[in-house]
Amino acid sequence: DTAVSQTPKYLVTQMGNDKSIKCEQNLGHDTMYWYKQDSKKFLKIMFSYNNKELIINETVPNRFSPKSPDKAHLNLHINSLELGDSAVYFCASSQDLRGGEDTQYFGPGTRLTVL
Amino acid sequence: KNEVEQSPQNLTAQEGEFITINCSYSVGISALHWLQQHPGGGIVSLFMLSSGKKKHGRLIATINIQEKHSSLHITASHPRDSAVYICAVGGQGNLIFGKGTKLSVKP
Repeated sequence: DTAVSQTPKYLVTQMGNDKSIKCEQNLGHDTMYWYKQDSKKFLKIMFSYNNKELIINETVPNRFSPKSPDKAHLNLHINSLELGDSAVYFCASSQDLRGGEDTQYFGPGTRLTVL
Repeated sequence: KNEVEQSPQNLTAQEGEFITINCSYSVGISALHWLQQHPGGGIVSLFMLSSGKKKHGRLIATINIQEKHSSLHITASHPRDSAVYICAVGGQGNLIFGKGTKLSVKP
């Protein structure tokens, strides 16, 4: 059974489009995250949610809107895609809010390419 | 200067060699994580530690809180250990990542 799953795995789209990436975890965790890995492979936190509530929002353009319908799902919606949004986006989850002190489980990543 | 620095950036080793990857950080932390990113892109958590040493199979992670330094050691390295190893420090609910060390183990 996949612990943290993301769809789609690959996403190629034109500049200006709106797209969503879905994430689901079946671990029963309370906290979920979105990370962005740029072309230099550098990972950075974007958002974290705990029990459907936004906890961390790191200087991310408001074109990015996370949505958590329940604590097992955290989706990422991106409006008006730009070339600079091309990256690999990873979803992760951890048991509780203290993500820095708790093992995080990562999804397989979604490679977004904006043309 | 990044808050989390790893060295070396790239490392090539022969199968069987003992490998050390270093991580230094400049912020207060609750825990330090070592992650492995496979060539296919998947990320796996290897260790989380806040003091001392942990061992899992051929991997050993140590941390010195006073010196703000951690090391990841791989004994008897194997080509399947080839991956990017990422150090991350945990603070207020999120992780701050190093830039990773790309390890290639040649047969």
